[in-house]
Amino acid sequence: DIQMTQSPSSVSASVGDRVTITCRASQGISTWLAWYQQKPGKAPKLLISSASSLQSGVPSRFSGSGSGTDFTLTITSLQPEDFATYYCQQANSVPNTFGQGTKLEIK
Amino acid sequence: EVQLLESGGGLVQPGGSLRLSCAASGFTFSNYAMNWVRQAPGKGLEWVSVIGTTGTTTYYADSVRGRFTISRDNSKNTFYLQMNSLRAEDTAVYYCAKNRGSSTSSCSDHWGLGTLVTVSS
Repeated sequence: DIQMTQSPSSVSASVGDRVTITCRASQGISTWLAWYQQKPGKAPKLLISSASSLQSGVPSRFSGSGSGTDFTLTITSLQPEDFATYYCQQANSVPNTFGQGTKLEIK
Repeated sequence: EVQLLESGGGLVQPGGSLRLSCAASGFTFSNYAMNWVRQAPGKGLEWVSVIGTTGTTTYYADSVRGRFTISRDNSKNTFYLQMNSLRAEDTAVYYCAKNRGSSTSSCSDHWGLGTLVTVSS
């Protein structure tokens, strides 16, 4: 199985800041990587697929990059509604494993 | 509008069984692979199982293989998760999720609200 490792596990930031979250796969997954946002008590929401393709309706301050084993999610100019937990998921092969999550908290 | 609605969660004793259902609407159900993903209290997301478009292809996480069975009824736009020999560690919110396409290996672009399964005596 492919293991996904996110860092950091948590990060504190302020409104207007730029934040980068990284995700590393235990083996190459090309660009088969998705990012989700989850708020407390809610279902995950798909933000980015194929490493860098922004889903319809997702603000352009979210962006993704990477290929192979190393990926990043960047949020520029943080907004209050962005404080949530973010997960990466590899879609290269079953089981489609998730990273352990990164909690983005308000500083 | 895509909608997924889980049902069937609840409290069950260790060793017991439960069947979850996910009713889908707003898309051509038979064209998409479907997943179950769970989240234990205060923990991260764990992929559980996926079923292909016709129901003949299924995969399971090691943690549930041999105890859980995924199935679907395309005539009812519904898929299921039969959970047997339940353990305390199966306690979680179970989400159903739609894959972006027909492939069983994919990310999920729509999710249900989740149903809570609690395994406790």
